[in-house]
Amino acid sequence: GAVVSQHPSWVICKSGTSVKIECRSLDFQATTMFWYRQFPKQSLMLMATSNEGSKATYEQGVEKDKFLINHASLTLSTLTVTSAHPEDSSFYICSALGLAGGGDTQYFGPGTRLTVL
Amino acid sequence: QKEVEQNSGPLSVPEGAIASLNCTYSDRGSQSFFWYRQYSGKSPELIMSIYSNGDKEDGRFTAQLNKASQYVSLLIRDSQPSDSATYLCAVPKAGNMLTFGGGTRLMVKP
Repeated sequence: GAVVSQHPSWVICKSGTSVKIECRSLDFQATTMFWYRQFPKQSLMLMATSNEGSKATYEQGVEKDKFLINHASLTLSTLTVTSAHPEDSSFYICSALGLAGGGDTQYFGPGTRLTVL
Repeated sequence: QKEVEQNSGPLSVPEGAIASLNCTYSDRGSQSFFWYRQYSGKSPELIMSIYSNGDKEDGRFTAQLNKASQYVSLLIRDSQPSDSATYLCAVPKAGNMLTFGGGTRLMVKP
């Protein structure tokens, strides 16, 4: 149980294009999902909190117009990197909040490796 | 003081030994604690969660929580080379956002 998938697992795109990453909770409903970014040998950095049916909450320094988040259903959140540039190349990971234990357990997707040429 | 602190390591243990990973946290009101394992190039994987003082065992893993001293630890018995990874301690804050420690890199040598 508590499986989270991401698609695609990796993507290579040209500078200036937009890339959409999907995050799905496969066997549970998640009203809250989180998007992280991780650069090589660095810690996870929370980008935004995605709540079903409402606008995402972005962390300080994260451009909401560049990283568009949509959480249209209880099992799907999407992150769109608009007008991607080489500096956006990173490992993007989503997590979904599951109802295990105290209801505050985050289950992570396998991640999406984005390379912008 | 960082909210969640871990020794970055690397912690090197021989195969079959007990690996002890430690984490301290600053918010005395924290109620839940998580250990994640992250292999290089992969996303974090939940290992253990613990909510009450004392020990919680799951297979070769034991999580220990001491709220009075504000530390949580993870013991890995009979360490295997496949346990070599970075172990992340995480504590939820408002909005269920996780605050992660910097992670401890564990190396289990055959």
